[in-house]
Amino acid sequence: KAGVTQTPRYLIKTRGQQVTLSCSPISGHRSVSWYQQTPGQGLQFLFEYFSETQRNKGNFPGRFSGRQFSNSRSEMNVSTLELGDSALYLCASSFRHKSTDTQYFGPGTRLTVL
Amino acid sequence: TQLLEQSPQFLSIQEGENLTVYCNSSSVFSSLQWYRQEPGEGPVLLVTVVTGGEVKKLKRLTFQFGDARKDSSLHITAAQPGDTGLYLCAGLNRDDKIIFGKGTRLHILP
Repeated sequence: KAGVTQTPRYLIKTRGQQVTLSCSPISGHRSVSWYQQTPGQGLQFLFEYFSETQRNKGNFPGRFSGRQFSNSRSEMNVSTLELGDSALYLCASSFRHKSTDTQYFGPGTRLTVL
Repeated sequence: TQLLEQSPQFLSIQEGENLTVYCNSSSVFSSLQWYRQEPGEGPVLLVTVVTGGEVKKLKRLTFQFGDARKDSSLHITAAQPGDTGLYLCAGLNRDDKIIFGKGTRLHILP
């Protein structure tokens, strides 16, 4: 079974631009969560989608948004990029929207904002 | 704001030694997980503990959940270079959100 895939793996943008990151979950998984990982703040929860609906949201500004498609693939968008948005963005999939389900993480997208 | 404090932040020890890393909070969590993350990869789940006082063993790794469900520890016996990585603890709070600690970066010297 293929694991969680994220594209692109690396991205360089400049301040003010916007970016879209993609995540393909493990086949059969319907829940996708997004996280931001930085050395200073660690891993922080952004949002979770299940069956195309946002089920849970972390404490991030509205510049961060996401969506999920009918095939469970998910995208995350960040608008008006700031230097502080430089981070590793991880997505994780699980079978159901239940917090006790095991999450499987992708390798992440490394975003650098110049 | 619920926080999970991990200590130490960094640990470098010789192969064969034993070590313990800690995950502490002032808040109660319904469950706690430990992950290991290697460079260029996402975190991989090692274990989930649910019951206060629970102890789980995974080969040379022993995980314990505190009686009050506010803290946890990970003990590694006879550390090997393959144990090198970032160890993250994550707690599930009452709002069904997962809170991660900042991690302990472990380096095992051959």
